Amino acid sequence: QVQLVESGGGVVQPGRSLRLSCAASGFTFSSYGMHWVRQAPGKGLEWVAVISYDGSNKYYADSVKGRFTISRDNSKNTLYLQMNSLRAEDTAVYYCAKGRRMGGAEDAFDIWGQGTMVTVSS
Amino acid sequence: DIQLTQSPSFLSASVGDRVTITCRASQGISSYLAWYQQKPGKAPKLLIYAASTLQSGVPSRFSGSGSGTEFTLTISSLQPEDFATYYCQQLNSYPFTFGPGTKVDIK
Repeated sequence: QVQLVESGGGVVQPGRSLRLSCAASGFTFSSYGMHWVRQAPGKGLEWVAVISYDGSNKYYADSVKGRFTISRDNSKNTLYLQMNSLRAEDTAVYYCAKGRRMGGAEDAFDIWGQGTMVTVSS
Repeated sequence: DIQLTQSPSFLSASVGDRVTITCRASQGISSYLAWYQQKPGKAPKLLIYAASTLQSGVPSRFSGSGSGTEFTLTISSLQPEDFATYYCQQLNSYPFTFGPGTKVDIK
């Protein structure tokens, strides 16, 4: 079935790095834009980054720009989020999500992973 | 950036009630609005996209309307499994912002 499975979360000290992965299955991964969304404990949803189906276009939230890098390996059906210079305020559950439309403008995220927790603390 | 507000932020209702949640955008977003349901400890679930199109598999008691800057999500007859937090999201332009959420609780 269509599925996204995140991994790579954990506890990390401020200033350090972490790389999240999101393994996709059950759909043609290389045809869809992919996103990262995060949710701090007890808070709402915050969109983090997007990468186009072929990796040629990427956009970031201002809160992570210059520190986080989104990438994908279509041969491995895997999405990544490289997080550098981590801060306490980056503590959150990180979800990967699939864009609903193949080609054209995004109009929703139709498949979400279960999330992976990142805790930034000394 | 486009800001979204939701009202109410909290709603207490009974099974069978009709519930309406409003989402307002700080500038026009055409129909690039989606609604999600999230239960504690779970990932969000897509309910509505393009402001009014029901996602496959979502019960027909959910409906969405609106365009431009004002949107609504309506649950025609609240069921026990509908108690959750609901978020709107704009996809008109990056960053794809979410509303702050509306928690629907049991009266």
